Amino acid sequence: TQLLEQSPQFLSIQEGENLTVYCNSSSVFSSLQWYRQEPGEGPVLLVTVVTGGEVKKLKRLTFQFGDARKDSSLHITAAQPGDTGLYLCAGAGNYGQNFVFGPGTRLSVLP
Amino acid sequence: GAVVSQHPSWVICKSGTSVKIECRSLDFQATTMFWYRQFPKQSLMLMATSNEGSKATYEQGVEKDKFLINHASLTLSTLTVTSAHPEDSSFYICTYLKTGTTEAFFGQGTRLTVV
Repeated sequence: TQLLEQSPQFLSIQEGENLTVYCNSSSVFSSLQWYRQEPGEGPVLLVTVVTGGEVKKLKRLTFQFGDARKDSSLHITAAQPGDTGLYLCAGAGNYGQNFVFGPGTRLSVLP
Repeated sequence: GAVVSQHPSWVICKSGTSVKIECRSLDFQATTMFWYRQFPKQSLMLMATSNEGSKATYEQGVEKDKFLINHASLTLSTLTVTSAHPEDSSFYICTYLKTGTTEAFFGQGTRLTVV
């Protein structure tokens, strides 16, 4: 069974600070996704990375897939209260098998 | 695109009754789907994995006779919580894995409260 770990588990920062969330595994994934979930709603897909070393930017969010496709990071620049939520990474093998979620990082950005 | 509709969004039921939650993919087909349960301020807990036309595979500790999953088509799946008890109160989320991709799309979730 492929497992994903995320760190930190909880993060509380002030508005304007930068932060990085990590998603790690001992297994190789064919792709990795990041999701964000707000209270009372289902998670929403932010990005999919498929190539080792790939970097994708989504406004103030920068996602990177590790060269070995075992880990990923999410960096948020100048965090805002609207970034508050649960950030989940998910990895999958080829053709979608072994789809697994990390435990999540709960981010709180204080105004 | 890739919209998943989950109903109801919230339900309150009496202990001992059954509740059915419906999940539809509106604009794509999905062979594989997942049902998750989420307790307050916790991450998603996988309950079961279901492939269209096959019996669901339940995670350890999840009673298959209590949480009935029907995945009869590529766009519709239901989760029935039978003989609900207060400890079943939770946020239930369905997830479709879009066929041919590794991207998952979530329903809006159902907040179940058993009184």
